[in-house]
Amino acid sequence: GENVEQHPSTLSVQEGDSAVIKCTYSDSASNYFPWYKQELGKRPQLIIDIRSNVGEKKDQRIAVTLNKTAKHFSLHITETQPEDSAVYFCAASGGAGQNFVFGPGTRLSVLP
Amino acid sequence: EAGVAQSPRYKIIEKRQSVAFWCNPISGHATLYWYQQILGQGPKLLIQFQNNGVVDDSQLPKDRFSAERLKGVDSTLKIQPAKLEDSAVYLCASSRQGRTYNEQFFGPGTRLTVL
Repeated sequence: GENVEQHPSTLSVQEGDSAVIKCTYSDSASNYFPWYKQELGKRPQLIIDIRSNVGEKKDQRIAVTLNKTAKHFSLHITETQPEDSAVYFCAASGGAGQNFVFGPGTRLSVLP
Repeated sequence: EAGVAQSPRYKIIEKRQSVAFWCNPISGHATLYWYQQILGQGPKLLIQFQNNGVVDDSQLPKDRFSAERLKGVDSTLKIQPAKLEDSAVYLCASSRQGRTYNEQFFGPGTRLTVL
């Protein structure tokens, strides 16, 4: 089955700096890669996703890149703000309606 | 539109007791997921329903966990008997059915503590 690894497990950055979180997956059939943000005590919420037919997607300060050959994808947050502090999870899925495998999470702290 | 509803929000039980969780997905969402999230880890899929049929329950500990979605809407997840290692947040999520990739919407979760 699918296995998703995520690095780093914790990340501290100064406000205004960029943050990068990387994930690798094992199943070459996976073709959908969402990123979720989970604040303390709250539910995971989708912040951005990418399908396998594109290499990069951007939404304001957040971008995701995908390298299908190497089987890894990354989340990029620019101009970080204190409210970006949370745990970020990547996930991989084989397609519509199929189960998602989540990474172990990255705890991001943005220091003012 | 209303979000995914779950109850109860918190539950504390003794080991070997039974517990049940309830989930009401977003109206019209055919796919429903139950996840277990242990503190400090990512969500782990327990079971996935498409309408009232099971799509994937490969990681459900079937000797103690059971789940049903009888009318293809609400779902219940039961643990009987509970073990200490079952302490976790149980998240329910739903998504639309279709050929396109569909966002999962999560409920607030039920925090279970087994003493």
